[in-house]
Amino acid sequence: ETGVTQSPTHLIKTRGQQVTLRCSSQSGHNTVSWYQQALGQGPQFIFQYYREEENGRGNFPPRFSGLQFPNYSSELNVNALELDDSALYLCASRPSGTGVSGNTIYFGEGSWLTVV
Amino acid sequence: TQLLEQSPQFLSIQEGENLTVYCNSSSVFSSLQWYRQEPGEGPVLLVTVVTGGEVKKLKRLTFQFGDARKDSSLHITAAQPGDTGLYLCATRDFNKFYFGSGTKLNVKP
Repeated sequence: ETGVTQSPTHLIKTRGQQVTLRCSSQSGHNTVSWYQQALGQGPQFIFQYYREEENGRGNFPPRFSGLQFPNYSSELNVNALELDDSALYLCASRPSGTGVSGNTIYFGEGSWLTVV
Repeated sequence: TQLLEQSPQFLSIQEGENLTVYCNSSSVFSSLQWYRQEPGEGPVLLVTVVTGGEVKKLKRLTFQFGDARKDSSLHITAAQPGDTGLYLCATRDFNKFYFGSGTKLNVKP
């Protein structure tokens, strides 16, 4: 049990639609990151939020966007869904900083998105 | 190009066998993490290694960080079916975290 919770756990969307995924971070963790994990692959970094601002981004197009709220919870929004967006979306939280604790991230169980 | 290369991609062994999986890169890391992920769940942290040459043990799992901090290995002694899962190595580059593609381990009873 990591203390990171995600919702919904599973959802099905149609190509072209928009989706919002939600994440509550572990208590005391002010940094949240999102990952996309295709079947059989490792997680790919989408972006990171700290103090309600995006401060790191992977190679994902602008239709992937996010928010972080004052309580450190977060949302991932994906517009104009494509079939290739079908994946497990993982949220992770960590304390800020560069020490060992800041380098260790704790994952939620993920949201399975299927685009048809 | 993958920052972290993991090998082998797949491993299927009998209960009781030993195994080693590898995580390699051309880059130097300040730290490296190992995670295990079971089907339908998020990755769970196993260990963080920080110092070159460091060895950490977690029951039957032994983790080693290379002297030059460019590679790491995970050795499992007397594997059990409960060890089945996807083993991932990961590292941080400023505000981005990178994962390898993982080693999928299946331990047969």
